[in-house]
Amino acid sequence: GAGVSQSPRYKVAKRGQDVALRCDPISGHVSLFWYQQALGQGPEFLTYFQNEAQLDKSGLPSDRFFAERPEGSVSTLKIQRTQQEDSAVYLCASSAEGYTEAFFGQGTRLTVV
Amino acid sequence: AQSVTQLGSHVSVSEGALVLLRCNYSSSVPPYLFWYVQYPNQGLQLLLKYTSAATLVKGINGFEAEFKKSETSFHLTKPSAHMSDAAEYFCAVSVLNSGYSTLTFGKGTMLLVSP
Repeated sequence: GAGVSQSPRYKVAKRGQDVALRCDPISGHVSLFWYQQALGQGPEFLTYFQNEAQLDKSGLPSDRFFAERPEGSVSTLKIQRTQQEDSAVYLCASSAEGYTEAFFGQGTRLTVV
Repeated sequence: AQSVTQLGSHVSVSEGALVLLRCNYSSSVPPYLFWYVQYPNQGLQLLLKYTSAATLVKGINGFEAEFKKSETSFHLTKPSAHMSDAAEYFCAVSVLNSGYSTLTFGKGTMLLVSP
């Protein structure tokens, strides 16, 4: 595609509900990143994929967060048993390779009520 | 560990005035530094980046930034603000890993432009 596409753009979840956020990277991009941006803060790194391999998940805040990229293209970030502190914008980025420029999607704004 | 500090959560300027957004970094290795802009309900757009070539880096929309090692700074400037520059700006430093790099962002500075 022309850019990184994320869906849904907005998600409201009740506390305790599971959610799944989708990222469709630029076609052919090997590297995919997820970031979390809390209100009034800069984005913070969550996890990194090289093709289908999740090479770094050091930023995932708890074991309720899970990410996958099974075929090396589309990625899904899943949050189980959502909590209010999970409310944030979740940004996905992709790059041609690990060290090249990352292009960001528009993000998914998650609100947990 | 690499980090960035952005001074001032909000900066207000008049249209046509100089824009100066401050960023200081901390890095144990020569850094790669970036400025991104984020418009409301949008993702991040790269304005410019420093990768150890020229210390004065020119970016899109008339923005530029100067890398000053002695001051550990990478401030963003634009000679004349436009209303369309109103947005949030993030400074970031690249964190190098084995085979990939990630970004560590500052908390952002909201630029407000008044007519």
